[in-house]
Amino acid sequence: RKEVEQDPGPFNVPEGATVAFNCTYSNSASQSFFWYRQDCRKEPKLLMSVYSSGNEDGRFTAQLNRASQYISLLIRDSKLSDSATYLCAVTPSGNTPLVFGKGTRLSVIA
Amino acid sequence: DAMVIQNPRYQVTQFGKPVTLSCSQTLNHNVMYWYQQKSSQAPKLLFHYYDKDFNNEADTPDNFQSRRPNTSFCFLDIRSPGLGDAAMYLCATSRGAGDRDTQYFGPGTRLTVL
Repeated sequence: RKEVEQDPGPFNVPEGATVAFNCTYSNSASQSFFWYRQDCRKEPKLLMSVYSSGNEDGRFTAQLNRASQYISLLIRDSKLSDSATYLCAVTPSGNTPLVFGKGTRLSVIA
Repeated sequence: DAMVIQNPRYQVTQFGKPVTLSCSQTLNHNVMYWYQQKSSQAPKLLFHYYDKDFNNEADTPDNFQSRRPNTSFCFLDIRSPGLGDAAMYLCATSRGAGDRDTQYFGPGTRLTVL
C-alpha cells in the first residue's frame, strides 16, 4: 500500500456544485496533514492544514478520520477558478518530511 | 515579494551535460528541500538540508547532488542528465522540520533534456 493515495480523478463538475476528494494514508502514526493546490505547470501552494479533526476556510472544509486513516477535502459552491490539481500531503511521523499523493484533478465547468 | 526563488525557470540541457539549478529564500528558514515532479506524479523528495545537515532519500540516484553554501541558497547538481531526468524541480523551505512546519515552494525549474 502506498503511503499516500488519492482519488484518481479527474473530477468534472459544474459551477456551484459541491465536490469532495479523499486521501488515504498508511502510517497510523501520522500527525499532520495538508492539502495543497497546484495549477498547471506551477508550484504547489498550501490550501489547508489539518492537525485535529478538521479545518474550515470559507468554501473549503478538510476533515480527518484517524480511525479509517483518511482525510477529505470538501469544496462548496465550486468556482471556475477552483480548477486545479489538489495534492494531499502527510507527515508520516515526527520530523520526517512530507509525503505527497499524486493529486486529484478538478475541472469546474460553466 | 517572492520568498522562494528558483533560477532558471526553464533549463534545457543535453544528454550527459551537467546542469545546476539554483534556489534562494528570503524567509531565513532552516530547512530546504529539493523535489522532482514528473507529469501527473506526486512531488518526489530527493533530499533536504536542516541547516547544514544533509539528508539524502534512499532512492535518490547518485547522479543528483546538492550544496547549501549558506542559509539562503541551495543548489541541485545533476552530473549527467538522462532523458528520464526531464521534470519539474521544486525547491521548498520550512522554518523547522517538525510536523507542523509548513513547506513553502518556489515556482520550480522545468528541465528539458535533449
